Amino acid sequence: EAGVAQSPRYKIIEKRQSVAFWCNPISGHATLYWYQQILGQGPKLLIQFQNNGVVDDSQLPKDRFSAERLKGVDSTLKIQPAKLEDSAVYLCASSHRIAGELAKNIQYFGAGTRLSVL
Amino acid sequence: AQSVTQPDIHITVSEGASLELRCNYSYGATPYLFWYVQSPGQGLQLLLKYFSGDTLVQGIKGFEAEFKRSQSSFNLRKPSVHWSDAAEYFCAVTSNTGNQFYFGTGTSLTVIP
Repeated sequence: EAGVAQSPRYKIIEKRQSVAFWCNPISGHATLYWYQQILGQGPKLLIQFQNNGVVDDSQLPKDRFSAERLKGVDSTLKIQPAKLEDSAVYLCASSHRIAGELAKNIQYFGAGTRLSVL
Repeated sequence: AQSVTQPDIHITVSEGASLELRCNYSYGATPYLFWYVQSPGQGLQLLLKYFSGDTLVQGIKGFEAEFKRSQSSFNLRKPSVHWSDAAEYFCAVTSNTGNQFYFGTGTSLTVIP
């Protein structure tokens, strides 16, 4: 079974530029998560999708961050414009929903995209 | 507010020694608890989870964790550490709705020969 795929692995941009990250979840996984992991910190959930609908985006900085999950499969996270404090690893995870017990689904993580904003 | 605290930023142990990583949580609802491990340049891998029932849970790679509601703790243990266990360890909590996953800041484990 293929794992969660993310690209690119690394990205270096200058502040005020735009950047996009791509995630392909494990086949059949209905739930997809985007996390931001700043150096020395734990992952912080940015947005959670159930199929192509947003379940939770309360910690997504909506003035500059956006995410979509077209057709309930692949997802793209975009930052526009980027700030220095956006430097982090962006992790994508997916899980297979068990009816009525979303939390019991195991999250499988991709290797992440390391973003450096100069 | 919901939160997860991992008091130890960095721990160093000798190979073959026992290990305990601490995790304390603050959560209003019934917590679902997890331990993840992250090797350099890799994503997070689930070690074990607690939802209900037996408060001592077994995970992969010889790890176990004990849920203590009275202490709001979910400490991770391993009786004999291997050099390959060197990594970053994260404790996480959520509720039965699966929303609002909260991770701790992590504990970095170094294993010396």
